[in-house]
Amino acid sequence: GENVEQHPSTLSVQEGDSAVIKCTYSDSASNYFPWYKQELGKRPQLIIDIRSNVGEKKDQRIAVTLNKTAKHFSLHITETQPEDSAVYFCAASRTGNAGGTSYGKLTFGQGTILTVHP
Amino acid sequence: GAGVSQSPSNKVTEKGKDVELRCDPISGHTALYWYRQSLGQGLEFLIYFQGNSAPDKSGLPSDRFSAERTGGSVSTLTIQRTQQEDSAVYLCASSFRYEQYFGPGTRLTVT
Repeated sequence: GENVEQHPSTLSVQEGDSAVIKCTYSDSASNYFPWYKQELGKRPQLIIDIRSNVGEKKDQRIAVTLNKTAKHFSLHITETQPEDSAVYFCAASRTGNAGGTSYGKLTFGQGTILTVHP
Repeated sequence: GAGVSQSPSNKVTEKGKDVELRCDPISGHTALYWYRQSLGQGLEFLIYFQGNSAPDKSGLPSDRFSAERTGGSVSTLTIQRTQQEDSAVYLCASSFRYEQYFGPGTRLTVT
């Protein structure tokens, strides 16, 4: 089955700096890669995702890059703010399609605790 | 619109008792997933339902765990003869396309 490795496990940055979290996956058939942010005691929230037909996607201060050949993908957060402090999880999925919908179980990395110091 | 909801939010049970956890997905979402998050750990897939297809049960840790989805909407995860290692937050998610949206979870504590 799929295996996702995530690094680093903890990351501490100063406000305004950039943060990068990296993940590798094992199943070359995986085609969907979301990133989730989880604040303490809260549900995971989807912040950005990428499908295997693109190499990069950006949404304001957040970007994700995907290297299918090397089977790794990364989350980049620029101009970090204290409210970015949370646990970030990467995930990978081999999604299928049926009846116009897409579905597939997510395999998660172990998470990165990001702390942004004011 | 309303997001994914789960009940109860917290459940404390004695070892050996059965528990039922409920998930109400977002209306119109055909796929429903159950995950488990142990303290300080990542999320572990348990089971998912897609439309009328047979569920993918490949993540269930033992035969004490089962789940059903009635009418293509609400789902119930049942854990029989609970053990202390079952203590975790059980998260439900639903999707229509690729994006999975999570509920707030049920924190299960087995004493």
